[in-house]
Amino acid sequence: GQSLEQPSEVTAVEGAIVQINCTYQTSGFYGLSWYQQHDGGAPTFLSYNALDGLEETGRFSSFLSRSDSYGYLLLQELQMKDSASYFCAVRDRGRGSTLGRLYFGRGTQLTVWP
Amino acid sequence: KAGVTQTPRYLIKTRGQQVTLSCSPISGHRSVSWYQQTPGQGLQFLFEYFSETQRNKGNFPGRFSGRQFSNSRSEMNVSTLELGDSALYLCASSLGTSGIYNEQFFGPGTRLTVL
Repeated sequence: GQSLEQPSEVTAVEGAIVQINCTYQTSGFYGLSWYQQHDGGAPTFLSYNALDGLEETGRFSSFLSRSDSYGYLLLQELQMKDSASYFCAVRDRGRGSTLGRLYFGRGTQLTVWP
Repeated sequence: KAGVTQTPRYLIKTRGQQVTLSCSPISGHRSVSWYQQTPGQGLQFLFEYFSETQRNKGNFPGRFSGRQFSNSRSEMNVSTLELGDSALYLCASSLGTSGIYNEQFFGPGTRLTVL
């Protein structure tokens, strides 16, 4: 079956660097995405990796290794406003030529302390 | 460009009733997906529509149904409500269904409470 594993909680201090890992198991793979969700808010898109390697967007970077079914989100120069839940998501293979469902991990609650 | 809107934002129902939730996607987006979010189960995929056709369906009972209209607006319906249906229901729209075009833009959600 399909599964995504990510840590439930991570804590760090302002200015630090934190890495949130995600391992996945899906029938087919069409890219790994990351989303951020603040308490009471809606998830917002952070990054998408379809190929192996590192994608950098400002303070956030995302890495993918398809051979290891593994990815991570790297947050640098942490700020208090980065305290939120972070979800990884993958889409599996559907039937025939259609894409499958989008699966989300359970989320990692990041707490940034001053 | 206006974001994804969902109505109503909050809803209280009793067991056995039915409910219809509405979602208006971002203009130009043809794909709409629905998710159920609970503290225990996280974000669970309900269904995905593209050009009025259901493309995918999650592992939810038949009490959960949806549809998409020609203007891409979507509705989901839950019949015979159960206490366990209490959740935040999120709608997300995207340009398409593959690759980066599947970036999900989420609405604020509808908080459903079943008493």
